[in-house]
Amino acid sequence: KNEVEQSPQNLTAQEGEFITINCSYSVGISALHWLQQHPGGGIVSLFMLSSGKKKHGRLIATINIQEKHSSLHITASHPRDSAVYICAVRSETSGSRLTFGEGTQLTVNP
Amino acid sequence: DTGVSQNPRHKITKRGQNVTFRCDPISEHNRLYWYRQTLGQGPEFLTYFQNEAQLEKSRLLSDRFSAERPKGSFSTLEIQRTEQGDSAMYLCASSLDGGLTPQHFGDGTRLSIL
Repeated sequence: KNEVEQSPQNLTAQEGEFITINCSYSVGISALHWLQQHPGGGIVSLFMLSSGKKKHGRLIATINIQEKHSSLHITASHPRDSAVYICAVRSETSGSRLTFGEGTQLTVNP
Repeated sequence: DTGVSQNPRHKITKRGQNVTFRCDPISEHNRLYWYRQTLGQGPEFLTYFQNEAQLEKSRLLSDRFSAERPKGSFSTLEIQRTEQGDSAMYLCASSLDGGLTPQHFGDGTRLSIL
């Protein structure tokens, strides 16, 4: 079992829909990251969380440390949101390295 | 643009050849990371540096792989005697030391082994 599990693996939505991507992890962490990867490979850091909730524009990330679970929400989704969304954790014992989930491929249709 | 820069963007080579990739981190960042990503998977950690010191290496980093960061600035990742299984995207990231700071990623080098 991977240390970081994401669901769903693939998600197709219509423009305007509210989207949720989930991440569960099995180790104690010092931080959790949500990343966005577009075709061609470039990765952009969206959020880094250690507790609570963060919001940036239409994106909201939450984390429940006790339940070892995080969610990424996208409100009023748009086709330009289409990308792979990756959850990654920095464990308490792994130094600086990140352990990644397999990613969620999001497609938003107009 | 002062983001993380990786070169080349793409590399196609025959099996058995040696390849070298370069990563230029954000200038004030003293931590530099290498990751590998195969198609449809999330990235996997390979190694990281703090300044010029290589502090951690993954078991994935076989003896055919070597990474250096000689002056604590840019880094190189060399793969000797490439194999089909080395085909992947090689990602570099950098961050500031001293706490929980985000990692900034380059666009990656895509390696294809013929």
